[in-house]
Order: sequence, then C-alpha cells, then structure tokens
Amino acid sequence: NAGVTQTPKFRILKIGQSMTLQCTQDMNHNYMYWYRQDPGMGLKLIYYSVGAGITDKGEVPNGYNVSRSTTEDFPLRLELAAPSQTSVYFCASSYSGGTYEQYFGPGTRLTVT
Amino acid sequence: GDSVTQMEGPVTLSEEAFLTINCTYTATGYPSLFWYVQYPGEGLQLLLKATKADDKGSNKGFEATYRKETTSFHLEKGSVQVSDSAVYFCALSDGERVQKLVFGQGTRLTINP
Repeated sequence: NAGVTQTPKFRILKIGQSMTLQCTQDMNHNYMYWYRQDPGMGLKLIYYSVGAGITDKGEVPNGYNVSRSTTEDFPLRLELAAPSQTSVYFCASSYSGGTYEQYFGPGTRLTVT
Repeated sequence: GDSVTQMEGPVTLSEEAFLTINCTYTATGYPSLFWYVQYPGEGLQLLLKATKADDKGSNKGFEATYRKETTSFHLEKGSVQVSDSAVYFCALSDGERVQKLVFGQGTRLTINP
C-alpha cells in the first residue's frame, strides 16, 4: 500500500513551458486535492475532485487545470509556466469529505525561471 | 474569509521540555480544527483533530482543545523528544461535504538532545 505518490519530486521549468504533475493513490479514495505551498506560507487549495469525472476550483486555480478520469489518478497541468508558480505542490486524498483525514503525498518542488 | 494564524517559528527546545504552539482562527460558522505534522522529506500527516467546541484531540502525547470563546486550538505536549522535530500545521475546515482545508503558515520545531 503506497498511499499517495507524486512524480516528479523536483522540476525546473522555463517561463512559458508546460508540464503535468502526476498524483496517484491506491486507497480507493473518492476525494482528491491539489495544494501549493509557498515559502513561509500555509498550503492553499488549487483544485479538488469528489470522484471520477468531477472536479472543482479551490482558492487559487488560475494557471492550472486538472482532470479525473479514474479514481486513482488526479494530474495537475500547468500551462504557460510563470515564476509565480514556483512552489511546492502537494496532492492529497480522503475517503470522503466532512472530517475524514486527508492523506498527503511527499510533494513536488517546482521552480520556474 | 476563513483564516488560521500560528505562532512564528522556528521553535527550538531541549528534549523533555514542555511544548506549546499557538493557533488561532477566524471562521464563519463552526469549523472543524486539525493539526498536521510534516516530518523531513515526507508529506503531511494528520496528528489530531477536534470537530466541535470543547473537544480535545490527542495523539502521540500531543493534545489540543477546541476553544470557541478564544477561537484557539493550541498544540501542547508535556515532554518532547528529538523525534518530534518537524513542521506543524494548524488547519480548519468549514465545509461539510467537501473538506477544503485552510492552513496556517506552519511552525518548524527542532528538539535538541
């Protein structure tokens, strides 16, 4: 049981490039989330999904897109990378909403130069 | 909007010292409150939670009590160990169906032997 896995661990992008951050969970969780963490700041919710085919915006969705074609996978797409997207990205999943625990992946550190 | 404020870090203590990390929140309604911990190189893990006023969450010797009158959820431990060195995040969720966590900025704790 690997939990939540994220790839890659580190990435450097040039301004204007695109990339996809991968997230996979093997716990059969319905709910999945993407957060970003800027230095010295708390995590902020980018997008979330309550099941395959259903996604919605969080607090800071601009510049990102997501899809959820399977229960296991929830990739985050960055189009036209900007320096403001330099951050650490965390994927998380939970069995349901309410007060169920969210399980986090180890993060992807992204630098845009 | 909802927000969480944690005490500034970093915090450095000696082994067996008493720990308090302050957390206060602003929210409409009646949020659930959480403490998450991030050990070096890992994703966040749920440490404890409380879902209503006067509830006490506890785990691994850590405790926090949901104080509605002071809008606080301070984390305490009576005797810290070197293995408690980590970053601690206070968070709230005001959603019922979808758990959209709002995080504080995190407090880095270092315990010296």
